[in-house]
Amino acid sequence: DVKVTQSSRYLVKRTGEKVFLECVQDMDHENMFWYRQDPGLGLRLIYFSYDVKMKEKGDIPEGYSVSREKKERFSLILESASTNQTSMYLCASNLQGGVQPQHFGDGTRLSIL
Amino acid sequence: AQSVTQLDSQVPVFEEAPVELRCNYSSSVSVYLFWYVQYPNQGLQLLLKYLSGSTLVESINGFEAEFNKSQTSFHLRKPSVHISDTAEYFCAVTPSGTYKYIFGTGTRLKVLA
Repeated sequence: DVKVTQSSRYLVKRTGEKVFLECVQDMDHENMFWYRQDPGLGLRLIYFSYDVKMKEKGDIPEGYSVSREKKERFSLILESASTNQTSMYLCASNLQGGVQPQHFGDGTRLSIL
Repeated sequence: AQSVTQLDSQVPVFEEAPVELRCNYSSSVSVYLFWYVQYPNQGLQLLLKYLSGSTLVESINGFEAEFNKSQTSFHLRKPSVHISDTAEYFCAVTPSGTYKYIFGTGTRLKVLA
């Protein structure tokens, strides 16, 4: 089974802090994704990576950056956390080619105080 | 631009009753369709997918969905629900030739004893 692991289930940070959310997948998937999930808004794509060191902006990249130095690891960075970034963050991965379903981690619930 | 509409934000239903969760999409290109389920405090799991072929697709736990191209719909049904089906259900589409998944806003299914 594909395993997507997010480093923290719950995280509390203060405004202005630099925050790192980590995601690791163990199935050699090329694509990795970061979403945020908010009630009534569904999942919104923040960033996408299709290869090591390659990234593309999603629908809501403002205030975020990403890093993919190794194929299995995709990090989401909040450069200067703000209260409106309090949310559930979901990482996903899938294979390239054809239509491949995404595999999700269990999420990180981030609170910015 | 593509979009996915899940009109029902919450659906309460009694145990052993049938249920239908509605999903409509808008796209100028062909799409592939998915239903994901999210149990409390977990990430999303693939429930079923339509890629091509028979328009009726089934999951291993009794759910089914039918792709209706003329009505641009992909409604999810189950003839008899269990308490354990209580979860949030997300419809998603992937436009042909892209990596991007577009998610609906989700439907919370609550099964009552």
